[in-house]
Amino acid sequence: GAGVSQSPSNKVTEKGKDVELRCDPISGHTALYWYRQSLGQGLEFLIYFQGNSAPDKSGLPSDRFSAERTGGSVSTLTIQRTQQEDSAVYLCASSAGQGGEKLFFGSGTQLSVL
Amino acid sequence: GENVEQHPSTLSVQEGDSAVIKCTYSDSASNYFPWYKQELGKGPQLIIDIRSNVGEKKDQRIAVTLNKTAKHFSLHITETQPEDSAVYFCAETDSWGKFQFGAGTQVVVTP
Repeated sequence: GAGVSQSPSNKVTEKGKDVELRCDPISGHTALYWYRQSLGQGLEFLIYFQGNSAPDKSGLPSDRFSAERTGGSVSTLTIQRTQQEDSAVYLCASSAGQGGEKLFFGSGTQLSVL
Repeated sequence: GENVEQHPSTLSVQEGDSAVIKCTYSDSASNYFPWYKQELGKGPQLIIDIRSNVGEKKDQRIAVTLNKTAKHFSLHITETQPEDSAVYFCAETDSWGKFQFGAGTQVVVTP
């Protein structure tokens, strides 16, 4: 497909476990974003990758959260020692350039921490 | 980009009426203003966007207007239909950095 792909679509985990969420951006897109959306809420910015520049991690809520982007393409968001308050939809988005370019979202990963 | 304020948070309209959602921003360097529609269980979908060198843009029943002097932009939906019911987000960005999103507007179109 030509869109942003996220996996898994749903993830149920136990409190204290680590989880990895994957994002495959649109081919050729240099910018990649992660957002978190709690039920009925807005989009909470987590992290932003742009080309080879150092990522903007200013939105990560704690040091339990980290993200990587390998080879300028696929990104993985890792949450260590998950807590119940981490339950949310995690959305990935990509765009072709640095600001002013159309941003396209994936369908998200619904994370439930029991 | 910096903070974006979006109003109203909820909007209920009769089918066939118009809906208007307004966003204000603070960064004078902002130059791109997209609108997204999010249906239940799905990711946000880009529905229309406008750049800072344009004052208005239309696409069938939806339009966006931009007032750079006042730093606000609005989404207009005419002849609303039940399938327009969704959450709508505005956003802005400048040529440097990340997108800033409004808090969202829940639109309910009643038959």
